[in-house]
Amino acid sequence: NAGVTQTPKFRVLKTGQSMTLLCAQDMNHEYMYWYRQDPGMGLRLIHYSVGEGTTAKGEVPDGYNVSRLKKQNFLLGLESAAPSQTSVYFCASLFGGRSASKQYFGPGTRLTVT
Amino acid sequence: EDQVTQSPEALRLQEGESSSLNCSYTVSGLRGLFWYRQDPGKGPEFLFTLYSAGEEKEKERLKATLTKKESFLHITAPKPEDSATYLCAVQAGSGNTPLVFGKGTRLSVIA
Repeated sequence: NAGVTQTPKFRVLKTGQSMTLLCAQDMNHEYMYWYRQDPGMGLRLIHYSVGEGTTAKGEVPDGYNVSRLKKQNFLLGLESAAPSQTSVYFCASLFGGRSASKQYFGPGTRLTVT
Repeated sequence: EDQVTQSPEALRLQEGESSSLNCSYTVSGLRGLFWYRQDPGKGPEFLFTLYSAGEEKEKERLKATLTKKESFLHITAPKPEDSATYLCAVQAGSGNTPLVFGKGTRLSVIA
């Protein structure tokens, strides 16, 4: 199993450009999440999905859109990038069940917006 | 609102010097408390899940404990390879609600 993978690993954008970050998991997990991590701010939830075809807003959703067309993939889109979106983005997934279960994280995407 | 506060923000230890990291939480019905380790440039890696007050879990030099208000991550005789950021997170409610993370404690172990 590859676990959770993220593409790309690094990206530099100019203000106003758009891009899509791809998260893929091969563990048949129902739940998927997108976080951003900034110095001193910890992990903040952007959007999440509780199953194929579903999405929901997290703590900091503005400026981002997501789609979950296939169970194994969760896409994060930036339509018009801003310098405030410079961050490290992490994707995570979890199986879901009757008791609390752990999240598996991807390796991250480092995005710089100039 | 569910909240997680970790202390200290940073901790510097000599190799072999045991210590504890704190995670205080307020949550409406704890479903689980999680500890993760994060190395620089990498994603968080799962360490432990604790479900109820009084529970303890151990892994090598790490031991996690849980009370109704806080969790401790005890590090016994740490080594330089234990240097990392340690994250605490809680899950509240009865379903698979999103985790709420603390800001982490950055641990440095000096040889």
